[in-house]
Amino acid sequence: DVVMTQSPLSLSVTPGEPASISCRSSQSLLYSNGYTYLDWYLQKPGQSPQLLISLGFYRASGVPDRFSGSGSGTDFTLKISRVEAEDVGIYYCMQVLHLPFTFGPGTKVEIK
Amino acid sequence: QVQLVESGGGVVQPGGSLRLSCAASGFIFNHYGILWVRQAPGKGLDWVAFMGYDGSHKYYTESVKGRFTISGDNPKNTVHLQMNSLRDEDTAVYYCARGPATGSAGYSMDVWGKGTTVLVSS
Repeated sequence: DVVMTQSPLSLSVTPGEPASISCRSSQSLLYSNGYTYLDWYLQKPGQSPQLLISLGFYRASGVPDRFSGSGSGTDFTLKISRVEAEDVGIYYCMQVLHLPFTFGPGTKVEIK
Repeated sequence: QVQLVESGGGVVQPGGSLRLSCAASGFIFNHYGILWVRQAPGKGLDWVAFMGYDGSHKYYTESVKGRFTISGDNPKNTVHLQMNSLRDEDTAVYYCARGPATGSAGYSMDVWGKGTTVLVSS
């Protein structure tokens, strides 16, 4: 199985400051069609997960532009340009190229 | 509006069965794939199964192969997850999520239900 790792596993951020989460996969997530099969999800406290970023860097509908995804191959990053209080929760990366699809362990983001 | 509503969770003894349902509304059901993802208490997300928009492609995580079956009921805009031979480790909140539209790349889940809880316990 493709192993997904994330760092850090927890993050405490001052509102208005940037934040960055790293995700690494044990195999390349670049498909022959040119797309990178890596998604980012946020699970806010007490809620279902929500899609933030699809295929490496496409922001999902309604996601603020302070969220951005980057990376290629096996190394990916989710950046929040200016953290807001509503961004608290657990962020997961997920690979959907190799079966079984696998999630990272999650990064818990808190506000200072 | 676009939504998914899960049902069918409950308490079951080890070795028992449950059938989860995922009712879709607000979109053309058979134009999208559906995925099931579960979350054990206090744990992270765990992908369980996928069914393509036309039901022709079905994938499962290894631990549920031969025990779980995903199926679709197009007239009712519903996807089912039949779970047999349940184990303690299947205890989780089960979410269904809308996957890729016909012809789309990837398996991004852009609409999620609120989940249904399965507790396997004697």
